[in-house]
Amino acid sequence: GENVEQHPSTLSVQEGDSAVIKCTYSDSASNYFPWYKQELGKRPQLIIDIRSNVGEKKDQRIAVTLNKTAKHFSLHITETQPEDSAVYFCAASKVKNQGGKLIFGQGTELSVKP
Amino acid sequence: KAGVTQTPRYLIKTRGQQVTLSCSPISGHRSVSWYQQTPGQGLQFLFEYFSETQRNKGNFPGRFSGRQFSNSRSEMNVSTLELGDSALYLCASSLGGQGTYNEQFFGPGTRLTVL
Repeated sequence: GENVEQHPSTLSVQEGDSAVIKCTYSDSASNYFPWYKQELGKRPQLIIDIRSNVGEKKDQRIAVTLNKTAKHFSLHITETQPEDSAVYFCAASKVKNQGGKLIFGQGTELSVKP
Repeated sequence: KAGVTQTPRYLIKTRGQQVTLSCSPISGHRSVSWYQQTPGQGLQFLFEYFSETQRNKGNFPGRFSGRQFSNSRSEMNVSTLELGDSALYLCASSLGGQGTYNEQFFGPGTRLTVL
C-alpha cells in the first residue's frame, strides 16, 4: 500500500547549522510532495512543495530535493534559527485522481538550540 | 482571504456517543480533506470531498463519515465513539481541480476527547 517513511524522528542542531530531513515513498505514481511545519498547538503550515518534474526547489533558507528513481525526497534548512523548532512532516500524493489525499510521514521533531 | 476554520475547537464526549465536526474552507476552494492526528499514528487521511461528492477515502471504519454542502463547507461525523477516536481532527482545503497540483491549507483542528 501507500507509505511514506520519514527520518530522523528527532533532530537537534545548533543555531546556524543545517538540518536535513529525509523521506521515502512507496508509490511510484506519486507526483506531488509537500512539506509542512507544525508548531506546538498550531495547525500544519505548508512551507515548500515539489512536483515530480522538478529535481530541486529553493525558497530562501529552505530547499527540497527529489530523486524519483530512488523514490526519495529531502528537506534542507540552512542557517537554522530557534524559530525553526517545530515538527516537520513530509507528504506524497498522486495528483491525477487523488490530489486531495496526502500520505504523511511520521514527522521529525526539530530542535534548534541557541 | 480568511483561512480554513473549524468548529468546535474542543469536544469532550463519552464512549458510544456520536459527534459532528464542521469545516469551512477558504473562499473559492472546492475540495475539503479530513485527517486524524494522533501521537502514535501521526497524520492519517480520512476522506476528501469535492463538489459535494466523496472523491477519495482512507482506511477508516464506516463509523467515520462525511458530507459536503453546496457552499463547500464540510462536516464529518463519528458514530459510536471509542476511546481510540480521541485525536486532533484536521481539515484542509484546496482548489481541488482534477489533475492539478492542489496545495492544501489546514484549519486549526478540533480536539476530540472520548472518555
